[in-house]
Amino acid sequence: DVKVTQSSRYLVKRTGEKVFLECVQDMDHENMFWYRQDPGLGLRLIYFSYDVKMKEKGDIPEGYSVSREKKERFSLILESASTNQTSMYLCASSFSSGNYEQYFGPGTRLTVT
Amino acid sequence: QKEVEQNSGPLSVPEGAIASLNCTYSDRVSQSFFWYRQYSGKSPELIMSIYSNGDKEDGRFTAQLNKASQYVSLLIRDSQPSDSATYLCAVNEASGTYKYIFGTGTRLKVLA
Repeated sequence: DVKVTQSSRYLVKRTGEKVFLECVQDMDHENMFWYRQDPGLGLRLIYFSYDVKMKEKGDIPEGYSVSREKKERFSLILESASTNQTSMYLCASSFSSGNYEQYFGPGTRLTVT
Repeated sequence: QKEVEQNSGPLSVPEGAIASLNCTYSDRVSQSFFWYRQYSGKSPELIMSIYSNGDKEDGRFTAQLNKASQYVSLLIRDSQPSDSATYLCAVNEASGTYKYIFGTGTRLKVLA
């Protein structure tokens, strides 16, 4: 079974704090993704990584950065958390060829106060 | 702007009935199609993937793809109250691109 895990299910942070969200997958997937999901807006891609140390901006990268030092781990960093970053954050992973199925982690519900 | 359109619902069906969920997409180069189930407060769970025109069955679920008409559907037979969730449709160009386009989902309610 594919397994994608995220470091926290719920997180509460203050405005201006630096926030780290971690994601680990155990399926040797090349691709890893960070999305946020908000009511009425659906899933929006923040960043994508197709290999170690490689990253590409998604649709809404402003205020976020990412790090991928190992193939199985992809971190999302909120440099200075703001209230408009309160959201559900979802990590996903997939192969880059053949089977394109994307698997999601359990999500992190982040609240910024 | 590439889009994936779904009726937001809610779609209400009685227990034991067939639920039919539909999705249309705008980009003709899309090659991979996925259905996810998402319970309230949880993350999306992959139900089915389909890559070729026609039907693909997995248990009570059948995905149908028509690339000429640019739609993909999901049928749930013998619907159960536990099937009540939001169903997300997603498409991908299947060329190694990272771009998965998601619909905003259809909320399904199965009435006991």
